[in-house]
Amino acid sequence: GQNIDQPTEMTATEGAIVQINCTYQTSGFNGLFWYQQHAGEAPTFLSYNVLDGLEEKGRFSSFLSRSKGYSYLLLKELQMKDSASYLCAVRGRDSNYQLIWGAGTKLIIKP
Amino acid sequence: AAGVIQSPRHLIKEKRETATLKCYPIPRHDTVYWYQQGPGQDPQFLISFYEKMQSDKGSIPDRFSAQQFSDYHSELNMSSLELGDSALYFCASSSTPTSGYEQYFGPGTRLTVT
Repeated sequence: GQNIDQPTEMTATEGAIVQINCTYQTSGFNGLFWYQQHAGEAPTFLSYNVLDGLEEKGRFSSFLSRSKGYSYLLLKELQMKDSASYLCAVRGRDSNYQLIWGAGTKLIIKP
Repeated sequence: AAGVIQSPRHLIKEKRETATLKCYPIPRHDTVYWYQQGPGQDPQFLISFYEKMQSDKGSIPDRFSAQQFSDYHSELNMSSLELGDSALYFCASSSTPTSGYEQYFGPGTRLTVT
């Protein structure tokens, strides 16, 4: 079957760094996406990885290891507005269009 | 920059009624996706269209149907509504269905069935 696992909830302190992990088992692999979603709002695209390695974009970085079926999203200099759910999604090879979504990690930032 | 537009933003219907949700993708985006998201759940993929043809089908109930029109906007038609259909319905668009083209989500339509 196809499965994406990420922690349900994490807590971090404002100004700190947090790493949100995602492991996946899918039929083939054609890219991994990270989205941010505030409660009641639409998911917002953060990053895309298709090759192994680290992609850095400002305070956010995303890492991928295809051999391990593993990714992480790294958030630096945390701000209160970073409190949101972070969704990991994988495009498998069985489908050209459909994303397989993780359940999301709720990140709580404390002052 | 233009974003995905969805209408209406909020909709209240009674059981067994019908509803039509509309989605206007980002200009020059040719692929549209529909998702259903219940409280505290990840988005559930319903269906997608590429160049006005159905490209993928997910967990869309038989009571629902959708299509993409010549101007690339899409409509999700929902009939015989049930209480369990109450959810946020997101539409997303991308420029092509090939790898690397991320999906951009609209603000969603909150459907409440009473």
